[in-house]
Amino acid sequence: DVVMTQTPLSLSVTPGQPASISCKSSQSLLHSDGKTYLYWYLQKPGQSPQLLIYEVSSRFSGVPDRFSGSGSGTDFTLKISRVEADDVGVYYCMQGIHLPWTFGQGTQVEIK
Amino acid sequence: EVQLVQSGAEVKKPGESLKISCKGSGYRFTTYWLGWVRQMPGKGLEWMGIIYPGDSDARYSPSLQGQVTISVDKSITTAYLQWSSLKASDTAMYFCARVGSSWSYFDYWGQGTLVTVSS
Repeated sequence: DVVMTQTPLSLSVTPGQPASISCKSSQSLLHSDGKTYLYWYLQKPGQSPQLLIYEVSSRFSGVPDRFSGSGSGTDFTLKISRVEADDVGVYYCMQGIHLPWTFGQGTQVEIK
Repeated sequence: EVQLVQSGAEVKKPGESLKISCKGSGYRFTTYWLGWVRQMPGKGLEWMGIIYPGDSDARYSPSLQGQVTISVDKSITTAYLQWSSLKASDTAMYFCARVGSSWSYFDYWGQGTLVTVSS
């Protein structure tokens, strides 16, 4: 299975400040079709996960533009430009190039 | 609006069988794969498997193959996850989710079904 490793595992951020989460995969997520199958999800407390970013850097419908994704190959980053109280939860990266799709361990984001 | 509505919480004993459901609406049910994701207490997300409602083609995580069965009844736009003999280690929240158009991610998720297995 492709191993997804996130850092840090927890993050405490002052509202209005930026935050960044790293995700590294054990294999390249670049497909022969030219797409890179890396995704970011947010699971808010007591809720189901919600898709934030697909294919490295495309924001899903309704996702605020303070969320951005970048990276290539095996190294990826999710950035929140100005953290808000509503951004609290656990962030997961996920690879979708090889079955079984695998998730990172999760990064808990809290507000200071 | 895409909606996935899951069946309610279950409390079962070890050795019992169980089938939980996920009803899709707001989209063409037979043309999108549906999957199941497990979240054990206090833990992260684990991909279990996916199924194509059009022909019931199913793919399973190797670690769970034979432990669960994923099925679908397209006449009522509902997918299922079932166990023939539950174990305490099956205690978890189970989410269904629709597979996105590039067949590589989940775009919409159900609310989750909590399964508790305890003697």
